[in-house]
Amino acid sequence: RKEVEQDPGPFNVPEGATVAFNCTYSNSASQSFFWYRQDCRKEPKLLMSVYSSGNEDGRFTAQLNRASQYISLLIRDSKLSDSATYLCVVNKRGKAAGNKLTFGGGTRVLVKP
Amino acid sequence: GAVVSQHPSWVICKSGTSVKIECRSLDFQATTMFWYRQFPKQSLMLMATSNEGSKATYEQGVEKDKFLINHASLTLSTLTVTSAHPEDSSFYICSARDPPGGGYGYTFGSGTRLTVV
Repeated sequence: RKEVEQDPGPFNVPEGATVAFNCTYSNSASQSFFWYRQDCRKEPKLLMSVYSSGNEDGRFTAQLNRASQYISLLIRDSKLSDSATYLCVVNKRGKAAGNKLTFGGGTRVLVKP
Repeated sequence: GAVVSQHPSWVICKSGTSVKIECRSLDFQATTMFWYRQFPKQSLMLMATSNEGSKATYEQGVEKDKFLINHASLTLSTLTVTSAHPEDSSFYICSARDPPGGGYGYTFGSGTRLTVV
């Protein structure tokens, strides 16, 4: 079983619609959670960190459910420029864990006019 | 914000030759850098953790003699793919943790697309 799992998609989303997807992680020692965005043939870029209480950044809302070990990302009022692969990333902080990031396989989102 | 510069952005080399990829942290010191590899339609897989002034830590299954990592200064880590073969063709990306005050994220270099022919 992969440590971080995502639905690969693609999620075909009409422009202006809302889309949401989840990511599950298997290691309960995970402490930090992020959503990264990766465009085709480019490096990942941090979209937002995910906090325990949930957080919002403009049209993007992230939620964390530690009990069920999943995080979610919701995109409201989708724009064409939101088309990308969204990577769920988990970090077990601390020296023993080496501060290493573990990436999910990514969820591809295609926003269409 | 923090910037990590990676060079070259793409390289084509002949089978059997070696290729060096550089990763520099600009305006901040990175005692630790991470090297990833990404095959088409797959996610990033951590290859190794580069530690300034000491040996790199390699992930299971990654050949340390093939992927040489050097982290000689606080701002530069290099990955050398030795005796490259077509199966080494991939997207290689480095990253460094954001400096204190920069949040808990990690900044990535722009990646190097390696094609071995």
